[in-house]
Amino acid sequence: KQEVTQIPAALSVPEGENLVLNCSFTDSAIYNLQWFRQDPGKGLTSLLLIQSSQREQTSGRLNASLDKSSGRSTLYIAASQPGDSATYLCAVDNDYKLSFGAGTTVTVRA
Amino acid sequence: GAVVSQHPSWVICKSGTSVKIECRSLDFQATTMFWYRQFPKQSLMLMATSNEGSKATYEQGVEKDKFLINHASLTLSTLTVTSAHPEDSSFYICSAGGRVGSSYEQYFGPGTRLTVT
Repeated sequence: KQEVTQIPAALSVPEGENLVLNCSFTDSAIYNLQWFRQDPGKGLTSLLLIQSSQREQTSGRLNASLDKSSGRSTLYIAASQPGDSATYLCAVDNDYKLSFGAGTTVTVRA
Repeated sequence: GAVVSQHPSWVICKSGTSVKIECRSLDFQATTMFWYRQFPKQSLMLMATSNEGSKATYEQGVEKDKFLINHASLTLSTLTVTSAHPEDSSFYICSAGGRVGSSYEQYFGPGTRLTVT
């Protein structure tokens, strides 16, 4: 059974600082890994999807890396802003089923 | 990406009643739909997977007679919580999955907040 762990569980940084969020998974036989953003009481917003054959994906200030062999992914958010405050979830796709981590709750202080 | 809607966005019901939640894929032919549940400050847990026209496959620990799933078309799936109890209060999220080019992708709905009193 796939286990997905996200560290840290919570993070508070001053505006402008770079954010580093970590995700690890136990079964490396994945199709892809996806990072989501969830605002309180809301659904999921997909941020980045990395196919198993890729090592990283970038979108604006976001960059996600994937090391499938070691079961790790890292989401980098450059020059954080208060609007980046949210919970960030990573999810791995095994056989078309997504397993989610518990998330990292980020607070960016103005 | 595709747009997935859920209705209602929130619902309050009395203990013992049944509640139906709809999930619609507005511009995407979803061969598979997934239902997730999220308790406060916890992650999403997959409840069941349904393919269009087939019976749903439930994850271990999810009661199929309590959570009835119907996937009648490529754009609509429903989750009915039967004889709801306060412990069923949760955030229910659906997703629509299918092939996009050479890859398989899932698109998530905005979620339905269920409160059972």
